[in-house]
Order: sequence, then structure tokens, then C-alpha cells
Amino acid sequence: QVQLQESGPGLVKTSETLSLTCTVSGGFISSYYWTWIRQPPGKGLEWIGNIYYSGSTNYNSSLKSRVTISIDGSKNQFSLKLNSVTAADTAVYYCAREGTTYWFDPWGQGTLVTVSS
Amino acid sequence: QSALTQPPSASGSPGQSVTISCTGTGSDVGGYKYVSWYQQHPGRAPKLLIYEVNKRPSGVSDRFSGSKSGNTASLTVSGLQAGDEADYYCISYAGIWVFGGGTRLTVL
Repeated sequence: QVQLQESGPGLVKTSETLSLTCTVSGGFISSYYWTWIRQPPGKGLEWIGNIYYSGSTNYNSSLKSRVTISIDGSKNQFSLKLNSVTAADTAVYYCAREGTTYWFDPWGQGTLVTVSS
Repeated sequence: QSALTQPPSASGSPGQSVTISCTGTGSDVGGYKYVSWYQQHPGRAPKLLIYEVNKRPSGVSDRFSGSKSGNTASLTVSGLQAGDEADYYCISYAGIWVFGGGTRLTVL
């Protein structure tokens, strides 16, 4: 079955750019939306944005000015860049597949990114 | 769009049933059938339990069921087990994604 795995630095300095990659295995990245969701420690979930395999993107309006999501079909990967990070961006970042009738499954295991000076 | 409202906590004894509510508006929960529910154990990724209000993915126990009335969706966990102790989130799609704040379910 399809599995997702996040990768990237666990520590990012304040004002720099957070970069994560999600690798999709067990299936092709085509024909679905692929999503990034984050969860600050001890808090709830927040949708960051998504990308279709064609490259079309949608972003959370509160993060839109700082977020870029891209996709590489040849590598079965999609990526997240969040610039000008602050401590408020410290969170576990999850990648997930978005189903055709608006659900998220499967999810990656998540990766904790800490923003610190 | 405002977040969906969930009770911060719920509890029940083993074998009992517990219902967790998720209240939105006519512009999200009430207006669309795209409500999903997720279970999250500590340190783990969320797991899809219910989609399209009341549909269960393959492999999810039939002890989990979903429903909706007006602007409120509900998740019922029947025959509570110790392993059901977790956080539960509702999510609605209504042109944009709207998330609930989560409910911590404790099995007494």
C-alpha cells in the first residue's frame, strides 16, 4: 500500500527557510492531491497547503505569503518550503495524501522541526 | 472560516459508548458531506477513521461510526477499549479545509 515519509532538517534557525520533502512509495504520485499539515507541540492540526500532480497548488491563507509546495513526479516526491520562520513555526510536520472525496490517508509518520536562534 | 468546535475531553468506561461532537456552521459541516474523523495516539500520526460523514475505510473497526445532524457531526465509539484512548479530530472540507480542535478520549 501507499506509504509516505517526511525528511529534512530537524532544526532551523529563526528567519531562515524550512525545507521538507515527502517521498511516496508503494504507488504513483499521479492523480491525487498531496498535502502538508502541521501540529505545534501539544496543539491541534493545521492545514498548510496541497499540490496536485499537475503542479496546481492551494495554500492556507494565513501562511500563503511564506509557503511554496512543489512536486517531482520523476522522484515520486513533493516538497514544502516555509520561509522567514519563527518559533511559532515549531511543529511536527506531516505529509498526507488527499482523497478524492476530501479526506487524508495515508499520513507520513511526521517530523519535528524546531525553530530556534 | 472558523475552526470546528469539539469538546476538549470525553470519557467512558470499558464496554460503554461515547459520542464526540463536532460543531460547525451551515457553510461547512451543515452544507457539505465532507466530514472526516481521525484518531491520534501520542507520538503517532493521525489515522483516518471516518470519511464522508459516516463511511469507514477498509480495516477500521465497526465500533467507530459517524453521523451528522444539521451543523453538528458526531463520532461514536462503541464497546470502549483501552486502546481507544487517544485524541480525535474532525475535519471538514467546504471549499477550504476547516479543522476541529481535537477531543482527548479517556477510558476510565
